Amino acid sequence: DGGITQSPKYLFRKEGQNVTLSCEQNLNHDAMYWYRQDPGQGLRLIYYSQIVNDFQKGDIAEGYSVSREKKESFPLTVTSAQKNPTAFYLCASTFGRGPTTNEKLFFGSGTQLSVL
Amino acid sequence: AQTVTQSQPEMSVQEAETVTLSCTYDTSESDYYLFWYKQPPSRQMILVIRQEAYKQQNATENRFSVNFQKAAKSFSLKISDSQLGDAAMYFCAYRQPFRVQGANSKLTFGKGITLSVRP
Repeated sequence: DGGITQSPKYLFRKEGQNVTLSCEQNLNHDAMYWYRQDPGQGLRLIYYSQIVNDFQKGDIAEGYSVSREKKESFPLTVTSAQKNPTAFYLCASTFGRGPTTNEKLFFGSGTQLSVL
Repeated sequence: AQTVTQSQPEMSVQEAETVTLSCTYDTSESDYYLFWYKQPPSRQMILVIRQEAYKQQNATENRFSVNFQKAAKSFSLKISDSQLGDAAMYFCAYRQPFRVQGANSKLTFGKGITLSVRP
């Protein structure tokens, strides 16, 4: 079955450590997104990519980095510069630009990141 | 920049009754999509309903319907015959369609409404 897989489900970060959250999709989607969810804050966009080897900053990109070397994969690194990384992280994907009427956003099951 | 506002942080409804969740948005564009997403305790995001701005007819999906007021920039979700399984957080979201030249594909969310259903 096609879908988006996020791993791990739970992740713990030590002070000064970089951690990477994985997001893989087998839906042949062009566009992929990373959102951060804090209680009472809704979902805020961190980074997004509309095509391989290209990505754009979202509203809260500071302290995060991404890569898009393959269409299927869009990993998110939470760097030590992100001082408040504890949150629920959601990856999503959708068909990119083109003559399609299917613009539904598919979500992964999320990763809960906590600081030790 | 587009913004989405959900001013009610929490709502409660009696089982089998009807409830309306409010959402307003701000945009200078004329062509866009609006969405309602449901997030149950599992935290998996589920698409409830979608509305295209150029369509005057309000979208309906079984017990879920919207009241889309384009001029007022309002997009409320009505849940009829509420069920215990409807208890969740509900997010309103906005995006431009990809067919718009130069459209930004990012989805902008409101802060969400927590809906509880009383048995």
